Amino acid sequence: QVQLQQSGPGLVKPSQTLSLTCAISGDSVSSNSAAWNWIRQSPSRGLEWLGRTYYRSKWYYEYAVSVKSRITINPDTSKNQFSLQLSSVSPEDTAVYYCTRGVGGTYSTLTFDLWGRGTLVTVSS
Amino acid sequence: QSVLTQPPSVSGAPGQRVTISCTGSSSNIGAGYDVHWYQQLPGTAPKLLIYGNNNRPSGVPDRFSVSKSGTSASLAITGLQAEDESDYYCQSYDSSLSGWVFGGGTKLTVL
Repeated sequence: QVQLQQSGPGLVKPSQTLSLTCAISGDSVSSNSAAWNWIRQSPSRGLEWLGRTYYRSKWYYEYAVSVKSRITINPDTSKNQFSLQLSSVSPEDTAVYYCTRGVGGTYSTLTFDLWGRGTLVTVSS
Repeated sequence: QSVLTQPPSVSGAPGQRVTISCTGSSSNIGAGYDVHWYQQLPGTAPKLLIYGNNNRPSGVPDRFSVSKSGTSASLAITGLQAEDESDYYCQSYDSSLSGWVFGGGTKLTVL
């Protein structure tokens, strides 16, 4: 059974960097058929896709325009996990952050079929 | 505000049929990108409910179905049951944003 286990702090100070990790069991971060995503959810912004990484003979990275200048998603093959770093956070970044698996061969058919349990991250001093 | 527009709430009595709409634009649904639907129970992560042309993950009953036309899509639930009370979200790809987008969510209340 494939599972995603999230970890990371629930409180981050403004202007600092938010860091979360998602450990994968039952699948591989280097899978040739999956992509590994971060999605957040807040009352003000709803569900928002942040970015993804995936391996197809080499590593690829795609980020949402809204956070492109501040986000980094990195795979860690030695630990079979991937991480999210979001820099220069503000209270607007307060949300529940989910790591997800994306499957489907095209942009159109891609669905998020597996989700972590979510981490509430509050940005506050 | 979300790129895809859904009604904030819908309701129906047990056994009835309800529909939830999802309206987009020419850069997402209208461009021909598939629409997928998720169900989210309180305090839990969204769960993939139905994807593409009426494809359901294992365990999802065929009471759930979808349709799409132009820049809109709809989720229909027939034979409404108390366990269907949940939040529902649509999702598609947006070529202008170069990313995946969601609807604002619809809360279904079973009366």
